[in-house]
Amino acid sequence: DAKTTQPNSMESNEEEPVHLPCNHSTISGTDYIHWYRQLPSQGPEYVIHGLTSNVNNRMASLAIAEDRKSSTLILHRATLRDAAVYYCILRDGLRNNNDMRFGAGTRLTVKP
Amino acid sequence: ETGVTQTPRHLVMGMTNKKSLKCEQHLGHNAMYWYKQSAKKPLELMFVYSLEERVENNSVPSRFSPECPNSSHLFLHLHTLQPEDSALYLCASSQEMILQVPNSPLHFGNGTRLTVT
Repeated sequence: DAKTTQPNSMESNEEEPVHLPCNHSTISGTDYIHWYRQLPSQGPEYVIHGLTSNVNNRMASLAIAEDRKSSTLILHRATLRDAAVYYCILRDGLRNNNDMRFGAGTRLTVKP
Repeated sequence: ETGVTQTPRHLVMGMTNKKSLKCEQHLGHNAMYWYKQSAKKPLELMFVYSLEERVENNSVPSRFSPECPNSSHLFLHLHTLQPEDSALYLCASSQEMILQVPNSPLHFGNGTRLTVT
């Protein structure tokens, strides 16, 4: 699977938008971009995924660059409960495999 | 409640002990996974079961032995572990559609914190 690069950490103020970047310059045409987050003392939880078009759900928005070499997870109004490690993962849509390979992620700190 | 329950939440064992970790999913999924999360390291995929058959084994030492008796239950049997095996062991499940793009989200439990003394 292609590799992703994320900043180690980011800070945000409560109730402000947060933009979490992810670079994936070696992405293939069949790779889907997935985002998960891991809150303290919990397992990871799914946030959102997309292929080419921007995606929105109740948790976040995913903005995908036109060349697909980068993407941004957007939390529209950060809360203290959004403090977590956020993982950006590529998943090959052609391979019939079931694995997800996580990197180091971005640790988001939300300040009140 | 995540739909994926892991027991025990914490386990301390000696290097000569034998213990088992249990995972149960209540989501009707057909794929289950074991991941290991060590301090300051990314999550490592250990085993994948799809339709109760092991489909992936990522060079995991034989002192870790998985078992999937049915689609709702997954075990990780442990014996003669080393202190470096101390970690958070996470179970996950997903619903994989045959012949379709494998994009179903994984649902994780909250893990078993294992300490080997």
